[in-house]
This record gives sequence, C-alpha cells and structure tokens, in this order.
Amino acid sequence: DTGVSQDPRHKITKRGQNVTFRCDPISEHNRLYWYRQTLGQGPEFLTYFQNEAQLEKSRLLSDRFSAERPKGSFSTLEIQRTEQGDSAMYLCASSFLRELGTDTQYFGPGTRLTVL
Amino acid sequence: SQKIEQNSEALNIQEGKTATLTCNYTNYSPAYLQWYRQDPGRGPVFLLLIRENEKEKRKERLKVTFDTTLKQSLFHITASQPADSATYLCAPSTGGFKTIFGAGTRLFVKA
Repeated sequence: DTGVSQDPRHKITKRGQNVTFRCDPISEHNRLYWYRQTLGQGPEFLTYFQNEAQLEKSRLLSDRFSAERPKGSFSTLEIQRTEQGDSAMYLCASSFLRELGTDTQYFGPGTRLTVL
Repeated sequence: SQKIEQNSEALNIQEGKTATLTCNYTNYSPAYLQWYRQDPGRGPVFLLLIRENEKEKRKERLKVTFDTTLKQSLFHITASQPADSATYLCAPSTGGFKTIFGAGTRLFVKA
C-alpha cells in the first residue's frame, strides 16, 4: 500500500492519560499535515511539517499537543493529559509541492480518539 | 477572517440526476480551489483542482466551476449514482501551505 497510513485507527483513553498517534506519509512527499475533525465539520488545521521542520502550528493547539517528524519521514502527534474535548478524528495528510504552487493533500484513514 | 460556506443541509437526489453543490468563500482570494470526497469514518480523497484563471474543469462525470467575482465554486456530478453518496468538502487555497476546508455537504443519491 503506497498511501498514507495511520496507527492506531481507534484509541479509547481515560481523561488525564497521554496518547500518541503515528502517521506514515507517502514516501516521496516532503510535506506533512495534522488535522482534527469533529462531527459535521471539515478538517481543522493543527500543524505542518516541511521535511523534518515544523513550520506552523495552529493557535488552537494547546501546549498539551506536540508533534514531531524525525528525519523527515513518519510523524507522531502526542496529546498529554487528555480532556474530553480532545475526542475527535485526527487526520494526517501528506503532499509534494507541485508546479505553480498547488498543494494537493493525500489523507490517511485517521485515528478516532475517544476520551472517557 | 476567512470563511467558507457550504450547504449545511444534506442534498437528496434521485439516481441519474445531476447533483450541484455550492461553495462560497469570503475575506480572501484563493489562487486555486480543491474538492474532496469523504466517506464516513475515512479521510478525505482528492477529486479536482481548479485554478483562479480557469472557469471550468471536468473529470469524467464531475465538473467544477470557479467564479472569482461571485467568490463561488459549483461542483456538479452528472448521472449520479448511489455510490456517489458521501460528504463533499470544498477547500479554497491562497497557495500557501495552509488549506482551509469547508464543513462539507452530505449528498444522498437514491436508487
């Protein structure tokens, strides 16, 4: 499978616990994104990597959230001290900047987080 | 602030008819606009991209228009099929790394 993969697909945790999600992008893609999506809403931007550098982080992202992309390959998103409001689908996407500046993103299947 | 509006109510149509979905944006001028399809429990899938200097783009049964004066894009599915039932997301982009997605419109095609 040459698409974007995410692990785990589902995660149930208790409030206050830490969770970590992994994303493996399409191998030749140099851009990687994390989004959060709740029911009835579109994906909401969280953070963005160009290769291994984290270039942008949403103001909506609290200090409990951290993301890494070591060596510009896979990425991890960690949420510390989870809260019930963190319950959502977490989507990863990757892309390769094409001519004329367009950026078509390829999404993984997402990780569904439920915080009890 | 940048705002994207898509039909919040679901669109129900009969198989074989043309589905038309609307995307309106305000407070920015996108260089291009993308449409994605999302099925329940899955990530969005890219369908079409149209640039600001293009009026119309087609791909098989799909057609997208982009009116920068009206700040609107229309997404058409001709000869719709039950398999087209999904949520369709509009994503206008200024060309930077940050893509803003609309909330999407749910389409139901009845056999």
